[in-house]
Amino acid sequence: GQNIDQPTEMTATEGAIVQINCTYQTSGFNGLFWYQQHAGEAPTFLSYNVLDGLEEKGRFSSFLSRSKGYSYLLLKELQMKDSASYLCAVRDFSDQAGTALIFGKGTTLSVSS
Amino acid sequence: NAGVTQTPKFQVLKTGQSMTLQCAQDMNHEYMSWYRQDPGMGLRLIHYSVGAGITDQGEVPNGYNVSRSTTEDFPLRLLSAAPSQTSVYFCASSLGTGAEKLFFGSGTQLSVL
Repeated sequence: GQNIDQPTEMTATEGAIVQINCTYQTSGFNGLFWYQQHAGEAPTFLSYNVLDGLEEKGRFSSFLSRSKGYSYLLLKELQMKDSASYLCAVRDFSDQAGTALIFGKGTTLSVSS
Repeated sequence: NAGVTQTPKFQVLKTGQSMTLQCAQDMNHEYMSWYRQDPGMGLRLIHYSVGAGITDQGEVPNGYNVSRSTTEDFPLRLLSAAPSQTSVYFCASSLGTGAEKLFFGSGTQLSVL
């Protein structure tokens, strides 16, 4: 089966940097996604990693280490609008999961002024 | 381009009633899926489809049926609603099952009394 862990809640202040960690255990890893979800809204895509290393996209960066089953999402220059839940999701091609995208429980980030 | 359209946005059912949540996408995506989202549980996969005529079960399929007669539509049927099915339901689609990101519908808030 699959197991995806991420912290439940985090807090930070405007202008700061925050790192949200995600660890996973899967049988057939085939990519890791990060999604952002504001309260009452649908998740929206942030980033995708399939090879080890850092992917940078503006204020957001995502890192992957396949050997350690570990990823993080780095948010720089935090803004109030970054207050949201951040969802780590793994694509698992094991027999049990088929071709599904499996989500962690999400990390709720609160940014204060 | 409408993307992924879900209806209804809100629904209240009595225990034992049946209903269908509609999902349609106009992006010619092969992959479609249904998730439910509950507080503290994250997004959990109910059913998914990798193309017309093909469906498979996810993590929490009991009490739900799906069919995929066309590429565009992927309805979710609740056969006999139970209070445990009170949740927010999201339909999502992607072009494929590799690096392609999921696009989510706006969600359906379902309450079963």
